[in-house]
Amino acid sequence: SAVISQKPSRDICQRGTSLTIQCQVDSQVTMMFWYRQQPGQSLTLIATANQGSEATYESGFVIDKFPISRPNLTFSTLTVSNMSPEDSSIYLCSVAETASSSPLHFGNGTRLTVT
Amino acid sequence: DAKTTQPNSMESNEEEPVHLPCNHSTISGTDYIHWYRQLPSQGPEYVIHGLTSNVNNRMASLAIAEDRKSSTLILHRATLRDAAVYYCISSHSGTYKYIFGTGTRLKVLA
Repeated sequence: SAVISQKPSRDICQRGTSLTIQCQVDSQVTMMFWYRQQPGQSLTLIATANQGSEATYESGFVIDKFPISRPNLTFSTLTVSNMSPEDSSIYLCSVAETASSSPLHFGNGTRLTVT
Repeated sequence: DAKTTQPNSMESNEEEPVHLPCNHSTISGTDYIHWYRQLPSQGPEYVIHGLTSNVNNRMASLAIAEDRKSSTLILHRATLRDAAVYYCISSHSGTYKYIFGTGTRLKVLA
């Protein structure tokens, strides 16, 4: 199964700044997703990262706040822009090798605290 | 997107089987049913998935109802390491999205 490396593993940031999270996969994958997990909650899908085109965002998430890049089949970044304390969460990159019949694999996430 | 419904929490004794239920009454015919679990301070871990037939692997078994509106994850002998939040999700075959529900927190008693 795919091995996912996510950086940074944690960060403490000041409000108003931006943080870019990187996700590197050890093999080519078709689907890449970004999730957010607020403390004590389930996972919420932010967007599907599409290779070579704009990401597909879920309701409540916009590109200006969470710009996503996916230059190839093994790498993606998520930026959390103009952060506020409400953005404090764990951000998780996940991949599926093909389509909906494939299992999802996750990295260990980025624990973000905004002060 | 098909919504899944699970009990918030369950308890089991160590070494006993555990049956974790999930309802997905709006699932479409080509949507797969996946189960994941999340241990504290870790990302979710894949457990098992299936479409129509029951599935077995080294971690668990998945029993899918004939009408596909519900499924059950079966841990044959619960251990303390199985204490986690278990998520049942339906992967949408059209949009390829994986939407997580609230999950079931499993507590295993020694």
